[in-house]
Amino acid sequence: DTGVSQNPRHKITKRGQNVTFRCDPISEHNRLYWYRQTLGQGPEFLTYFQNEAQLEKSRLLSDRFSAERPKGSFSTLEIQRTEQGDSAMYLCASSSPRGNSYNEQFFGPGTRLTVL
Amino acid sequence: SQKIEQNSEALNIQEGKTATLTCNYTNYSPAYLQWYRQDPGRGPVFLLLIRENEKEKRKERLKVTFDTTLKQSLFHITASQPADSATYLCALALQAAGNKLTFGGGTRVLVKP
Repeated sequence: DTGVSQNPRHKITKRGQNVTFRCDPISEHNRLYWYRQTLGQGPEFLTYFQNEAQLEKSRLLSDRFSAERPKGSFSTLEIQRTEQGDSAMYLCASSSPRGNSYNEQFFGPGTRLTVL
Repeated sequence: SQKIEQNSEALNIQEGKTATLTCNYTNYSPAYLQWYRQDPGRGPVFLLLIRENEKEKRKERLKVTFDTTLKQSLFHITASQPADSATYLCALALQAAGNKLTFGGGTRVLVKP
């Protein structure tokens, strides 16, 4: 399978615990995006990387959230001191340039986080 | 503030008919607009992209229109099939903003046989 993969698929944790999610993008894609989606809503942008550089972070990404892409390949998203409001589906997407544009994004299956 | 609105009510449609979904946006000048399909428990899947200087795009049974004056896109599924049942998401992007996508809330489509 050469698509975007995310692990784990499901995570249940207690409030106050730290969690880390991993995303493996399509291998030749140099852009990687993180989104969060709650039930009945569309995905909301969190952050994105071009290679290993984190180029933008949403104001939704509080200081409890940190994302890395150390070698420009896989990425991790860590949430510290989880809160019940963090419960959501966390989606990762990747894309590559066509000409000088990045167009469609390829999404992974998501990690569903439940904070008890 | 920027807003992207899709009809939050589910669209129930008979097999073989055309489903038409609406995406309206305000305070936004997108470089392009995309439509994605999302099935329950899965990530969105890209369907079509239409640029600001394009009026219409087609792909098989799908058609998208883009009216930058009305700030509206219409998404049509012709000859709908039960397998088309899913949530359809509209997303806008600014190339200057790293092509990050801003999504609408999605419209659920249910095609009945």
